[in-house]
Amino acid sequence: QVQLVESGGGVVQPGESLRLSCAASGFSFSNSGMYWVRQAPGKGLDFMAVIWYDGSKKYYADSVKGRFTISRDNSKNTLYLQMNSLRAEDTAVYYCVRAGEGSGSYPGTYWGQGTHVIVSS
Amino acid sequence: QSALTQPASVSGSPGQSITISCTGTSNDVGSYNYVSWYQQHPGKAPKLIIYDVSNRPSGVSYRFSGSKSGNTASLTIFGLQAEDDADYYCGSYTSTSTFLFGGGTKLTVL
Repeated sequence: QVQLVESGGGVVQPGESLRLSCAASGFSFSNSGMYWVRQAPGKGLDFMAVIWYDGSKKYYADSVKGRFTISRDNSKNTLYLQMNSLRAEDTAVYYCVRAGEGSGSYPGTYWGQGTHVIVSS
Repeated sequence: QSALTQPASVSGSPGQSITISCTGTSNDVGSYNYVSWYQQHPGKAPKLIIYDVSNRPSGVSYRFSGSKSGNTASLTIFGLQAEDDADYYCGSYTSTSTFLFGGGTKLTVL
């Protein structure tokens, strides 16, 4: 069955960096686009970034452009999110999501359980 | 980019039908048939219930229906059930190849 397992979350101070990982299994990772979506405490869903199946294209939300980098290692079936210059407003649960079927132009059926990131001094 | 606009809350009694609207612009909802809807129960990951405006993933109840007109998409839930009590989010592909969520709607089943 499809599994997405995020890791790497934790508590950091403003200005610090963190790298999230998402280990994928149960599907052809190298043929799937992937998303990072976050949700701040008590708030709604927020698109962070998307990466094409081969890593050739990446797109970011304006709020994280230049600070966050999405990447993937298809040989390890792993998705990454490098987060630099973290701010208090980046505090959230971060979800790894497989792109939907067909067009792949949306976060699809398969979501990880989420990893918590807390940015606080 | 501003979030797509959804009502903060809607409510209905069991058996009734409700509709949640999702208003965007010509840069997202109005230009692409790539609108999706997600259901989220407290403490859980979101669940995809509609994609590409009106398609239901396998296993999603027929009681969930999506549509779109111009810059506004809609999710209708027929025959409300207690388990439909949840938060609902719309989302759309955008002209910058990103994805934009709505602010979310809290559905209360009375």
